[in-house]
Amino acid sequence: NAGVTQTPKFQVLKTGQSMTLQCAQDMNHEYMSWYRQDPGMGLRLIHYSVGAGITDQGEVPNGYNVSRSTTEDFPLRLLSAAPSQTSVYFCASSYSARGWNEQFFGPGTRLTVL
Amino acid sequence: KNEVEQSPQNLTAQEGEFITINCSYSVGISALHWLQQHPGGGIVSLFMLSSGKKKHGRLIATINIQEKHSSLHITASHPRDSAVYICAVSRAGTASKLTFGTGTRLQVTL
Repeated sequence: NAGVTQTPKFQVLKTGQSMTLQCAQDMNHEYMSWYRQDPGMGLRLIHYSVGAGITDQGEVPNGYNVSRSTTEDFPLRLLSAAPSQTSVYFCASSYSARGWNEQFFGPGTRLTVL
Repeated sequence: KNEVEQSPQNLTAQEGEFITINCSYSVGISALHWLQQHPGGGIVSLFMLSSGKKKHGRLIATINIQEKHSSLHITASHPRDSAVYICAVSRAGTASKLTFGTGTRLQVTL
């Protein structure tokens, strides 16, 4: 199993550009989520999904869209990049949205917005 | 005030020392997670616990639900333990959504 994969590993954007961060898992996990990690702050939840076709907002959703058309994939779209979105982004998955489960993290995407 | 607080923020130890990292939280939880993040960024889950104590190798995690406090201990520390250790809680009623502390950066020297 590859676990949770993310692409790209690094990305530089100009203000106003759009892009999609890819996330995939091969563990048939029900729950998937996107976090951003900024210096001096804990990871913060952007969006999450409890199953294919079901998504919801987290703590810091503004400027980001998600969709979940399959169990495996959960892409994060930046609609119009801003310097405030410079961060490291992590995708994570867990077996179920019910109860508490081990979270599996992807390797992260380091995004810089100029 | 953050809902999950960790201390210390930074910790330097010599190889072989016993290390304790603390986590306090202010919300109702269903479980507490300890995670490890090595330089280069990958995050792995070390423990999930809702009561008592768990041990894995040289790592021990404890939780006191009444005091809303957890500790992560590393016995006989080694330079390969150098990493950021992150405490996170699964809030009661929203079990898969985690709230994270800001992490404790541990450096173990020879």
